[in-house]
Amino acid sequence: EVQLVESGGGSVQPGGSLRLSCVASGFTFSSYWMHWVRQAPGKGPEWISRISNDDSRREYADSVKGRFTISRDNAKNTLYLQMNSLGVEDTAVYYCARGRDGGTYFQYWGQGTLVIVSS
Amino acid sequence: DIQMTQSPSTLSASVGDRVTITCRASQSVNIWLAWYQQKPGKAPKLLIYKTSSLESGVPSRFSGSGSGTEFTLTISSLQPDDFATYYCQQYISQGTFGQGTKVDVK
Repeated sequence: EVQLVESGGGSVQPGGSLRLSCVASGFTFSSYWMHWVRQAPGKGPEWISRISNDDSRREYADSVKGRFTISRDNAKNTLYLQMNSLGVEDTAVYYCARGRDGGTYFQYWGQGTLVIVSS
Repeated sequence: DIQMTQSPSTLSASVGDRVTITCRASQSVNIWLAWYQQKPGKAPKLLIYKTSSLESGVPSRFSGSGSGTEFTLTISSLQPDDFATYYCQQYISQGTFGQGTKVDVK
């Protein structure tokens, strides 16, 4: 059974940083692109970043480019998201997700971790 | 950036009704369109990908159609478990979601 378990969310002041983690199990992690998707309260989901299976490619939405960094450790079956210079607009539930194939759509999702940016 | 617009924003229906949700893209996404169902406090669930391909385990009352800029999700006979919010998502260029359609009880 595929499982994705996020952690690392919490409350942070504007300008602060957080690092999210996502531990994967039930599939060959090193064979798949992985993604981060977030959802602000009452809004639709927003794809924010993806990383290739071998870490040769990393892509970001304009809303987080230059502030967030995606990475992975295939030996630990773990995906990361380093978030810097956080603003109130980054308040959301952050999901780790796996695509069904090479496309940027999402067959499996984690349970999400809540990030609140507030003074 | 490609914008996705869903209509209606809210749809009130009864069990057994045929339900149709429309999704329009600001430019062609070919057939690279997915649909998701989301219930409160849960992650979205993939229903359909590549416009009309049904994800494994999803009931056959769900279907998708369209191409280019206009797409539809149809639920042929609404069941109690189907009251939820539905999102379309294009994935020809990164991945943009619509704003959602909430299906509630009439």
